[in-house]
Amino acid sequence: EAQVTQNPRYLITVTGKKLTVTCSQNMNHEYMSWYRQDPGLGLRQIYYSMNVEVTDKGDVPEGYKVSRKEKRNFPLILESPSPNQTSLYFCASASRLGEQFFGPGTRLTVL
Amino acid sequence: AQSVTQLDSQVPVFEEAPVELRCNYSSSVSVYLFWYVQYPNQGLQLLLKYLSGSTLVKGINGFEAEFNKSQTSFHLRKPSVHISDTAEYFCAVSEIGDTDKLIFGTGTRLQVFP
Repeated sequence: EAQVTQNPRYLITVTGKKLTVTCSQNMNHEYMSWYRQDPGLGLRQIYYSMNVEVTDKGDVPEGYKVSRKEKRNFPLILESPSPNQTSLYFCASASRLGEQFFGPGTRLTVL
Repeated sequence: AQSVTQLDSQVPVFEEAPVELRCNYSSSVSVYLFWYVQYPNQGLQLLLKYLSGSTLVKGINGFEAEFNKSQTSFHLRKPSVHISDTAEYFCAVSEIGDTDKLIFGTGTRLQVFP
C-alpha cells in the first residue's frame, strides 16, 4: 500500500530537549516536505527536499532542521524545542504534478 | 507570490443540503489547483485537482469544483451532504513550473448537522 508514515504520532517533551520526528514514504517520490498546522493558519511549509541531499527552507524554517540521506526518509529535527513549536506536524511526498500525499500527522507538545 | 484565500472559516449545513466552499487564489502565472480534506485526527487526503482541460472537475465522495480563471476561483461544491462529510477542507495552489511549492489556504470547517 502506498503510504507516508510518521513516528511518533504523539509526543510531549520539555523545552530544550532535542527530538526527531521520522518520516518515510514507499512511493519512490523525489519530493518530500514538512508542514506544521496551527488553528486559523492552515498548513505552513517548514522545509522541503527535491531529492537526496537537496533540501530547502519553506515559509517557517526557524528552529527546525532536516536531512535527506535516503530517498524514502526525511526526518524533522528540533535541536532545542520551544513552546511555540507546539503544533501538529505533517510530512508529505509528492508526484511531479504537485499532488502531495500526507502522513497521519504528529502532534507535538512542548512544555 | 501566490496566495490562497478561503473566505469561510466555518460552514454549518444540514444533512442533504447543498454546500459550496469558496476558494480564491492569487498568482501571476498559470496554476494547478487542489482540494484536500482532513477528517478528525487524520492526515490530509486529496479530494480533487485541476491540472488542465475541463474546468469542471469531479472528485471523490461526490464533490466537484469549478475552475474560473477570470475570477481566480476554485469553489468546491456538493449537491447533497452527509454527516460523514464533516471535516476540514483545504484549498491549495501550485504554480506551473514550480509545482514543488504548494500553498494552502487556512481551511474551512464543514459541519453537517442531522
